[in-house]
Amino acid sequence: AQSVTQPDIHITVSEGASLELRCNYSYGATPYLFWYVQSPGQGLQLLLKYFSGDTLVQGIKGFEAEFKRSQSSFNLRKPSVHWSDAAEYFCAVGAGSTGFQKLVFGTGTRLLVSP
Amino acid sequence: ETGVTQSPTHLIKTRGQQVTLRCSSQSGHNTVSWYQQALGQGPQFIFQYYREEENGRGNFPPRFSGLQFPNYSSELNVNALELDDSALYLCASSPRGLSSYEQYFGPGTRLTVT
Repeated sequence: AQSVTQPDIHITVSEGASLELRCNYSYGATPYLFWYVQSPGQGLQLLLKYFSGDTLVQGIKGFEAEFKRSQSSFNLRKPSVHWSDAAEYFCAVGAGSTGFQKLVFGTGTRLLVSP
Repeated sequence: ETGVTQSPTHLIKTRGQQVTLRCSSQSGHNTVSWYQQALGQGPQFIFQYYREEENGRGNFPPRFSGLQFPNYSSELNVNALELDDSALYLCASSPRGLSSYEQYFGPGTRLTVT
């Protein structure tokens, strides 16, 4: 069965510092991978996606992620964190079968930004 | 372009009661999925609707049911509420096909069962 692991429950980063959030997936075929962000009390906003092609994908708000098949990873990065980036981040893999498509999410990483 | 909207924002129900949550999909999207997000957890897939029929379901009991209407809006119904049903319920819409994996979420409905 498809699964996603986000090993870090909380991460604290100083404003202006770089960020990397880890994501590992389990999926037999070529995965469809996503990163979403959730601010307190809000729904999920799609940051970026990987379907195929270039393994380095760019997203909104200055985020990027790199797909590494050999490591079954899809880590999210940002070169310089802003205080407004404080939120919960979820990695997800597209799963399902013929006829329907679902997302399987990790348990999330809460990002705290210190001044 | 109007995004995904959900109503109500918050809801408090008593154990054993029934609840209906509503979702309007994003313009141009004909597929709707529902997810349950318990506190401190990632969202869990409940089911997906396309052409007014359920075409995929997660590990949720039959007391979780849904509807999709001709305008692609959707309802989630939960009967015989249990305390563990307290969660944020998220609706997501997407176009059909491969892009159905690219799902756009509404703000959610926070359900509290007492």
